[in-house]
Amino acid sequence: GQNIDQPTEMTATEGAIVQINCTYQTSGFNGLFWYQQHAGEAPTFLSYNVLDGLEEKGRFSSFLSRSKGYSYLLLKELQMKDSASYLCAVPNDYKLSFGAGTTVTVRA
Amino acid sequence: KAGVTQTPRYLIKTRGQQVTLSCSPISGHRSVSWYQQTPGQGLQFLFEYFSETQRNKGNFPGRFSGRQFSNSRSEMNVSTLELGDSALYLCASSLAGGGAETQYFGPGTRLLVL
Repeated sequence: GQNIDQPTEMTATEGAIVQINCTYQTSGFNGLFWYQQHAGEAPTFLSYNVLDGLEEKGRFSSFLSRSKGYSYLLLKELQMKDSASYLCAVPNDYKLSFGAGTTVTVRA
Repeated sequence: KAGVTQTPRYLIKTRGQQVTLSCSPISGHRSVSWYQQTPGQGLQFLFEYFSETQRNKGNFPGRFSGRQFSNSRSEMNVSTLELGDSALYLCASSLAGGGAETQYFGPGTRLLVL
């Protein structure tokens, strides 16, 4: 099975940087996804990592270390609209297993 | 391309009733997955369909069932509703399913069981 852990909540100031960690234990590894979910809305795809290292996409970057079972999502130059829940997920057997999600609150 | 659509968006039922939710995937996508999201349990996988075949099922009671049609549209049914079934039900689609494919989510159906 899969065991996925991420912090419950994080708070940061507009313009700052926040790093959301995700650790996972999985029987087979096919990569790791990050999704963003605003309150009352559907999750939207942010990134997918399958190889070790950092992938940068504008203000958002995602890092993966397969040997450590560890990933993080880095949000730079935080904006108020980045207040949302961030979910890491690992795919296996035609399904996604999600962490509980990290609620990020951006304060002015 | 139109995104994943789900109907209805909101639903209120009473205990013991049954409910059917519908999902239309992105055009060309043949894999459809269903998830239940609650504040306490987060996002939990229900089942996945591809070419009208269920390939995986989550750990939910038999009251939860689904099917997929030849046009890839999918429905899920919950019979004998319980209060604990109140949740956001999300449908997601991808081209063929499988590890590296991104799943795209619909807006969800919010079910309230009274």
